[in-house]
Amino acid sequence: AQSVSQHNHHVILSEAASLELGCNYSYGGTVNLFWYVQYPGQHLQLLLKYFSGDPLVKGIKGFEAEFIKSKFSFNLRKPSVQWSDTAEYFCAVNTFSGGYNKLIFGAGTRLAVHP
Amino acid sequence: NAGVTQTPKFRILKIGQSMTLQCTQDMNHNYMYWYRQDPGMGLKLIYYSVGAGITDKGEVPNGYNVSRSTTEDFPLRLELAAPSQTSVYFCASSYERGGEKLFFGSGTQLSVL
Repeated sequence: AQSVSQHNHHVILSEAASLELGCNYSYGGTVNLFWYVQYPGQHLQLLLKYFSGDPLVKGIKGFEAEFIKSKFSFNLRKPSVQWSDTAEYFCAVNTFSGGYNKLIFGAGTRLAVHP
Repeated sequence: NAGVTQTPKFRILKIGQSMTLQCTQDMNHNYMYWYRQDPGMGLKLIYYSVGAGITDKGEVPNGYNVSRSTTEDFPLRLELAAPSQTSVYFCASSYERGGEKLFFGSGTQLSVL
């Protein structure tokens, strides 16, 4: 079965620190990859997505992610975090098995950024 | 556009009660989904629909039912509420198959006591 693993459940950083959140998936076929963010009290929003082409994708608010096919990974990065980045981040994989697309989410990583 | 609208936002049920979580979208999206979000577990797909009249089970369908009589509406039914169904429920919709961006509703926090 397809699955998505996010290695860090909680991350605490100071402002201006660099961020990298790990995401690995298990699926051998064609995938689309996503990072969603959920700010406190809000619903999920798309941060960035990878379909094909350049494996380094840039999203909103200075976030980027790199797709490494050989490692089945899609790690999220930001060079310098801000207090407003405090949120929960979800990696998701869209697979095409069974004729219908299914979006499988990881367990999420809670990021707390201290001023 | 309102996007994806879920009601109610909060609900407390007693064990064995039933209820329907409402979800409606005004974007003419074919694809609609119900997820539940549990702490440390991420989002789990309960049911999804690829168009009016077509629904299918996701990862955790037991204890739930859905219907899709119109493109706009995708209600989720709990027939006999159990404590294990205490969770936050999100409805989502998308236009494209496979390459979609999901639009999420604001969620329903359900407690079964």
